[in-house]
Amino acid sequence: KAGVTQTPRYLIKTRGQQVTLSCSPISGHRSVSWYQQTPGQGLQFLFEYFSETQRNKGNFPGRFSGRQFSNSRSEMNVSTLELGDSALYLCASSLVLDSSYEQYFGPGTRLTVT
Amino acid sequence: SQQGEEDPQALSIQEGENATMNCSYKTSINNLQWYRQNSGRGLVHLILIRSNEREKHSGRLRVTLDTSKKSSSLLITASRAADTASYFCATDAFSGGYNKLIFGAGTRLAVHP
Repeated sequence: KAGVTQTPRYLIKTRGQQVTLSCSPISGHRSVSWYQQTPGQGLQFLFEYFSETQRNKGNFPGRFSGRQFSNSRSEMNVSTLELGDSALYLCASSLVLDSSYEQYFGPGTRLTVT
Repeated sequence: SQQGEEDPQALSIQEGENATMNCSYKTSINNLQWYRQNSGRGLVHLILIRSNEREKHSGRLRVTLDTSKKSSSLLITASRAADTASYFCATDAFSGGYNKLIFGAGTRLAVHP
């Protein structure tokens, strides 16, 4: 069974631009979560989607948004990029909406904002 | 804010030695998970321990959970160079979310041949 895939793996953008990251969960998984990892703040929860609906959201500004499609694939968008948005963005998929189930992480997208 | 705090922040040992990492958290949990991350890559799930469990084993890994002290420990026995990675504990949050994980800052483990 293929793992979680994220595209692109690396991205360089300039301040003020916007970016869209993509995540394809493991086949059959319906929950997709997004995390931001930076050296200063560590791993922080962005949001979670289940059955095309956002179920939970972390403490990030409205510039960060996401969506999930009917095939469970998810995208996250960051508008008006700031230098502080440089980070590794990780997506995780899970079978169901239940924290007692293991989450499977993708390799991440490394975003650099210059 | 982070729920978990790992201790130590960094650990350097020789191959064959045991490595112990500790995690403390602040609020009540349903379960606690440990993940490994190799050099800025994705996270690999190691083990999940539920709040009603005290100890769990998986291969060379042993995890304990003390809910009265709000703490957990991860023991890696007979460590190998390939165990060199960052290790994170993660707890679920009672904040209405279901799969939301709150991660600690992590312990960087270096195993020297």
